Amino acid sequence: SQTIHQWPATLVQPVGSPLSLECTVEGTSNPNLYWYRQAAGRGLQLLFYSVGIGQISSEVPQNLSASRPQDRQFILSSKKLLLSDSGFYLCAWSATGAGEQYFGPGTRLTVT
Amino acid sequence: TQLLEQSPQFLSIQEGENLTVYCNSSSVFSSLQWYRQEPGEGPVLLVTVVTGGEVKKLKRLTFQFGDARKDSSLHITAAQPGDTGLYLCRGATNKLIFGTGTLLAVQP
Repeated sequence: SQTIHQWPATLVQPVGSPLSLECTVEGTSNPNLYWYRQAAGRGLQLLFYSVGIGQISSEVPQNLSASRPQDRQFILSSKKLLLSDSGFYLCAWSATGAGEQYFGPGTRLTVT
Repeated sequence: TQLLEQSPQFLSIQEGENLTVYCNSSSVFSSLQWYRQEPGEGPVLLVTVVTGGEVKKLKRLTFQFGDARKDSSLHITAAQPGDTGLYLCRGATNKLIFGTGTLLAVQP
């Protein structure tokens, strides 16, 4: 069966510090991968998605970047965090673009 | 910009009550999904609807896709505290977008 891992679960970082969130998927190959950000009690904002290694599409211009160094690894990064980067970050995978998305447990990021 | 508006934004009801939440757009969707998200976790798929007018039932939950495939509703009968969570719709056009969400709290 497929599983998706995301870490860390929580993170408190000062403004201006770098960020690296990692997501890995097991039990499938060549998944579509996604990074979302969510404000409390609200919908999901798609940040990045990837259909293959090294292929990244950015949906929202911002302070963040994403990379896919391996087929089942997706990394969200920032060189210098802003207060507005605080939020709940979710990684997801799907077998096809319109298919069911399977989400990781999320990372709660607080920028102080 | 494509939008999927959900209403109401917040809903607090007593156990045993019925409720309906809505997902509306000006765009036509090839398919639409409903997810539920519990606090501190990722969303989990409840159902996918693909045909205009389609109705699907999942225990006490009834999902309907509009005839024109621009809107959908989720009806919960006799709500229970375990139904508490954030309900999200997700539509597929040339892009895939999530709705704004409905936060449901069912009080015992």
